[in-house]
Amino acid sequence: AQSVTQPDIHITVSEGASLELRCNYSYGATPYLFWYVQSPGQGLQLLLKYFSGDTLVQGIKGFEAEFKRSQSSFNLRKPSVHWSDAAEYFCAVGLIDSNYQLIWGAGTKLIIKP
Amino acid sequence: NAGVTQTPKFQVLKTGQSMTLQCAQDMNHNSMYWYRQDPGMGLRLIYYSASEGTTDKGEVPNGYNVSRLNKREFSLRLESAAPSQTSVYFCASSVGLPGADTQYFGPGTRLTVL
Repeated sequence: AQSVTQPDIHITVSEGASLELRCNYSYGATPYLFWYVQSPGQGLQLLLKYFSGDTLVQGIKGFEAEFKRSQSSFNLRKPSVHWSDAAEYFCAVGLIDSNYQLIWGAGTKLIIKP
Repeated sequence: NAGVTQTPKFQVLKTGQSMTLQCAQDMNHNSMYWYRQDPGMGLRLIYYSASEGTTDKGEVPNGYNVSRLNKREFSLRLESAAPSQTSVYFCASSVGLPGADTQYFGPGTRLTVL
């Protein structure tokens, strides 16, 4: 069955350090890929998405993600985190041959150390 | 534009009571969604509506009903609330199908069932 795995429930990073959040999916074809962010007490907001083309995708707030077909991964990166990046991050996968059903990962909570 | 609005923001119910969560979007989107979010479980789709007049069950529809009143509004009803329905509920909308377009989220409704 199709699934999305975010292996890290929590990640703690020092302010100014680099960040990588992992996302792996299980799906037979190349899906549409999304990263959303949820700040405390708020709804989700799209950070970036990949549909096709260049496998390195730039998003808002200085985030980027790289699609690696061979690893079925879509990891989110930021070179230098800010305290305002503390939030929960969700990876999601759109199944293009299943009526574009969307599968969500369980989320990774990012904690920033001052 | 207000985007996606939800009412109420907070609600406390007793077991067996009923209530309706309201959602409206002003972006002329075709698709609308209701999710619930529980700690450690990410987002789970309750119902969605791909267009005005159509609704479909998601992953966890039991105990809920929905109405797509018009293109703008999509309500979620709990007929007889249970403690297991204590959760944060999010409404979202998108132009097209769930896995093919950006979803825009409301701020959420925090529901407690005693």
